[in-house]
Amino acid sequence: AQRVTQPEKLLSVFKGAPVELKCNYSYSGSPELFWYVQYSRQRLQLLLRHISRESIKGFTADLNKGETSFHLKKPFAQEEDSAMYYCALLSPSYDKVIFGPGTSLSVIP
Amino acid sequence: SAVISQKPSRDICQRGTSLTIQCQVDSQVTMMFWYRQQPGQSLTLIATANQGSEATYESGFVIDKFPISRPNLTFSTLTVSNMSPEDSSIYLCSVIIRESNQPQHFGDGTRLSIL
Repeated sequence: AQRVTQPEKLLSVFKGAPVELKCNYSYSGSPELFWYVQYSRQRLQLLLRHISRESIKGFTADLNKGETSFHLKKPFAQEEDSAMYYCALLSPSYDKVIFGPGTSLSVIP
Repeated sequence: SAVISQKPSRDICQRGTSLTIQCQVDSQVTMMFWYRQQPGQSLTLIATANQGSEATYESGFVIDKFPISRPNLTFSTLTVSNMSPEDSSIYLCSVIIRESNQPQHFGDGTRLSIL
């Protein structure tokens, strides 16, 4: 079955601490993985795309095909990182995007 | 890149009524989708809007409740029929553009409240 899982519904870390938001996927084939962020009362924004291998706002994510994971990491969390984070999968044929349930990150000052 | 216009941006409706949401894209796109985001929840795919044929619905969504039209490659509508308070949600139109740094684009959404 095609699925994206994010095991943590809520994650709280202190400012300056490292943060890791977990994402695992289930898909036969080679999908493309993304991380989206949604700040309070704002629209969804693309944060990272695995094929671009960029670092945005200090966040990085590595696709591990063996573990079917795409965890999002940041070495030092900032208060402005508090938001909902969604992992998403784009099918290889570009005909479907599946979103994970999301993780709410709260950075404590 | 694509600019997606959704109308209305928000509405408050009475139980039992229907509302049609419009989605206009500034370029021709093959793949167009409708999502729902209930309060505090993730995005759930309702259906893929197919140009010239019936929409493809995901499990749990049916055409009688969410009829979709896609008359051409730049426009689609989603109707929420016989609304109940459980339909209160944000409804989002989305397109996929293959040759793009950001393949998936979203409209601003329609915030729907049912009394």
